[in-house]
Amino acid sequence: SQTIHQWPATLVQPVGSPLSLECTVEGTSNPNLYWYRQAAGRGLQLLFYSVGIGQISSEVPQNLSASRPQDRQFILSSKKLLLSDSGFYLCAWSGTATGNTIYFGEGSWLTVV
Amino acid sequence: AQKITQTQPGMFVQEKEAVTLDCTYDTSDPSYGLFWYKQPSSGEMIFLIYQGSYDQQNATEGRYSLNFQKARKSANLVISASQLGDSAMYFCAMREAASGGSYIPTFGRGTSLIVHP
Repeated sequence: SQTIHQWPATLVQPVGSPLSLECTVEGTSNPNLYWYRQAAGRGLQLLFYSVGIGQISSEVPQNLSASRPQDRQFILSSKKLLLSDSGFYLCAWSGTATGNTIYFGEGSWLTVV
Repeated sequence: AQKITQTQPGMFVQEKEAVTLDCTYDTSDPSYGLFWYKQPSSGEMIFLIYQGSYDQQNATEGRYSLNFQKARKSANLVISASQLGDSAMYFCAMREAASGGSYIPTFGRGTSLIVHP
């Protein structure tokens, strides 16, 4: 069966520090991968999606970036965090194995102080 | 323009009663999919139910059913026999085809459901 994991689960980072959130999918190949952000009490905002290694599409311009160094690995990064980057970040995947249903990781709570 | 609209920010229901959470969508793509997710206070997003645009029958999964009205572009979630554990945020989502054959999922703002004992 397929599983998705992301880490770390929670982190508190000072303004201006770097960020790296990692997401890995197991049990499938060539998944579509997504990073979403959810601000407190709000819906989900799509940040990045990827259909293959090295292929990243950005939905919202900001100081975040994403990379896909391996087929089942998706990384969300920032060189310098802003206060407004605080939120709940969710990695997700979909593919032919899921009938294009999107499945989510456990989420990462980021607080920028 | 919003592609997924959930007009109920909050809903209350008595335990064991049924509740309907509203969702309308907007798309010109003839092939699309509609999803509902549950997000408890822990934050995880749990997939509940899926309806394809070409599906003739309404989707059902246990106590969840999707009332799909294609002409009205609505995809309401019906939860029968509510339980206390159903208290959570519920998100409606739609996937449409994007360039290159990928699918881009779009989410509504969510509805907070509280089940009273």
